[in-house]
Amino acid sequence: NAGVTQTPKFRILKIGQSMTLQCTQDMNHNYMYWYRQDPGMGLKLIYYSVGAGITDKGEVPNGYNVSRSTTEDFPLRLELAAPSQTSVYFCASNPSGRADTQYFGPGTRLTVL
Amino acid sequence: GENVEQHPSTLSVQEGDSAVIKCTYSDSASNYFPWYKQELGKGPQLIIDIRSNVGEKKDQRIAVTLNKTAKHFSLHITETQPEDSAVYFCAASRGNYGQNFVFGPGTRLSVLP
Repeated sequence: NAGVTQTPKFRILKIGQSMTLQCTQDMNHNYMYWYRQDPGMGLKLIYYSVGAGITDKGEVPNGYNVSRSTTEDFPLRLELAAPSQTSVYFCASNPSGRADTQYFGPGTRLTVL
Repeated sequence: GENVEQHPSTLSVQEGDSAVIKCTYSDSASNYFPWYKQELGKGPQLIIDIRSNVGEKKDQRIAVTLNKTAKHFSLHITETQPEDSAVYFCAASRGNYGQNFVFGPGTRLSVLP
């Protein structure tokens, strides 16, 4: 199993541009999450999904959108990039919602200039 | 809502010494407390966790203690090794569900040879 994979690893965007951060897991996990990690801060939850077709907002959803059309994929969309969205983004998954079986991807470092 | 503080923000120890990282939380209903290790360029990885019905848990060189009355929990690493160098995050949650987690800001541990 590859686990949780994220692409791209790094990206620089200009203000107002849009992009999609990709997240894929091959463990057949129902639960998937998107977090952002700002320097010197803990991870904050952006969106999560409890299964294909079901998504819900986390603590900091503004400026982002998600979709979950398959069990494997959980892309995160930034429509109008802003400097405040400069961060490291982590995707995670777990089979049943239980965080003691949660797996994180390697992260995407995004800079908005 | 829950607020998690973590101290110190940076910690340097000599190889073989012990390291202690402390977290405090505000929500008395929180009952699950995991610790994550994040190595450079990688996603966080769960290293140990504790539930509110337990005061202490050990796993080889790593231990976690919980004081529910004072609302704090600590990570103890004994006989530190260079490979323990990483950023460590604590989190608190009502229930063991990823969407409920509140993370601390992290501690950068450096083990000096």
